Amino acid sequence: DQQVKQNSPSLSVQEGRISILNCDYTNSMFDYFLWYKKYPAEGPTFLISISSIKDKNEDGRFTVFLNKSAKHLSLHIVPSQPGDSAVYFCAATSNTGKLIFGQGTTLQVKP
Amino acid sequence: SAVISQKPSRDICQRGTSLTIQCQVDSQVTMMFWYRQQPGQSLTLIATANQGSEATYESGFVIDKFPISRPNLTFSTLTVSNMSPEDSSIYLCSGGDLEQYFGPGTRLTVT
Repeated sequence: DQQVKQNSPSLSVQEGRISILNCDYTNSMFDYFLWYKKYPAEGPTFLISISSIKDKNEDGRFTVFLNKSAKHLSLHIVPSQPGDSAVYFCAATSNTGKLIFGQGTTLQVKP
Repeated sequence: SAVISQKPSRDICQRGTSLTIQCQVDSQVTMMFWYRQQPGQSLTLIATANQGSEATYESGFVIDKFPISRPNLTFSTLTVSNMSPEDSSIYLCSGGDLEQYFGPGTRLTVT
């Protein structure tokens, strides 16, 4: 049972445009959501998070939106840069701290 | 945030042997976890490393195969025992509170 799903395996955008990565979850007990970026041969790097009591959190070029009724979150990157090219994972947790990861979306930002 | 280091970064091991992976955090953290990322897949939680007590394993993972120690709040080890080629993966530790920070991973190849 995949509790966290990223249905788009890959996304390609032009430099300077917006990248939108999507994530759906099924477990209503999840109350904290995170996005990680992963380059090959490196561990995941924490990007941004959002609590279930909020619907938006912004940090520089990165904004995460949460729609609890739809059990959906998205990561917006504006403007996209070639250095953003990586695999992006969304993850969810309840008060246990254990992270449940989606399958990942490979973002390619073309110069 | 926390900075996490892992040793070794990679290893090639023979079937039937064991490998111990070390994880060091630069500050005391509440929680530490061990994950596995098999080729082409997402991160799967192996266990929660509990300080001073036995680790808590996820479904499909057992202590005899993946013994874990956590003697203090900054250090943990994961042993992959009696290895088979199916254990070839990247093994990652994480530490933190609500937001987990990851080490660079240990790339294990079992021949």
